Amino acid sequence: EAGVTQSPTHLIKTRGQQATLRCSPISGHTSVYWYQQALGLGLQFLLWYDEGEERNRGNFPPRFSGRQFPNYSSELNVNALELEDSALYLCASSLKQVSSGYTFGSGTRLTVV
Amino acid sequence: GENVEQHPSTLSVQEGDSAVIKCTYSDSASNYFPWYKQELGKGPQLIIDIRSNVGEKKDQRIAVTLNKTAKHFSLHITETQPEDSAVYFCAGRSFGNEKLTFGTGTRLTIIP
Repeated sequence: EAGVTQSPTHLIKTRGQQATLRCSPISGHTSVYWYQQALGLGLQFLLWYDEGEERNRGNFPPRFSGRQFPNYSSELNVNALELEDSALYLCASSLKQVSSGYTFGSGTRLTVV
Repeated sequence: GENVEQHPSTLSVQEGDSAVIKCTYSDSASNYFPWYKQELGKGPQLIIDIRSNVGEKKDQRIAVTLNKTAKHFSLHITETQPEDSAVYFCAGRSFGNEKLTFGTGTRLTIIP
């Protein structure tokens, strides 16, 4: 079974540009979650999508947005990039069950210069 | 919302000894508590989880205990090996809320 795949692996952008990160969940998983992991810090919740709808949002500005497609893959967009947006962005997927765990991808390392 | 605190932030143990990482949570409605291991350059990997109707769960050298009254849970690793060196995260999830709230992580170093 293929795991959660994220692309690209690394991304370098200039301050003020836009970044688009992509995630393909495990087959059969309908929920996709995005987390930001800044260097040396923990995982901060960004967004949760399920069945194509945004279900929950973390404490991040509106320039962080995303969507989920009919095949349950997801995209995270970050507009007007700032230097502090440099981080590892992790995508995870799960079945729609409270007692099921997440499966994470390996992440996209975003560097803003 | 849920708040999860984790300690210690760093832990070094001799190979073969045991390691214990502790977490506390704030939301009494939380009912699912997974632990993740993150190796350098990789995403977190689920290693064990426990639900609120269970007090303890074991999987080979790894065990997790849950004290619902005190609202804390712990990860126990016995007979530690060099490959156990990683960052470990605890997390909690409230009933009806799919979002996991993570602790701040523990960097575990196994000393050969």
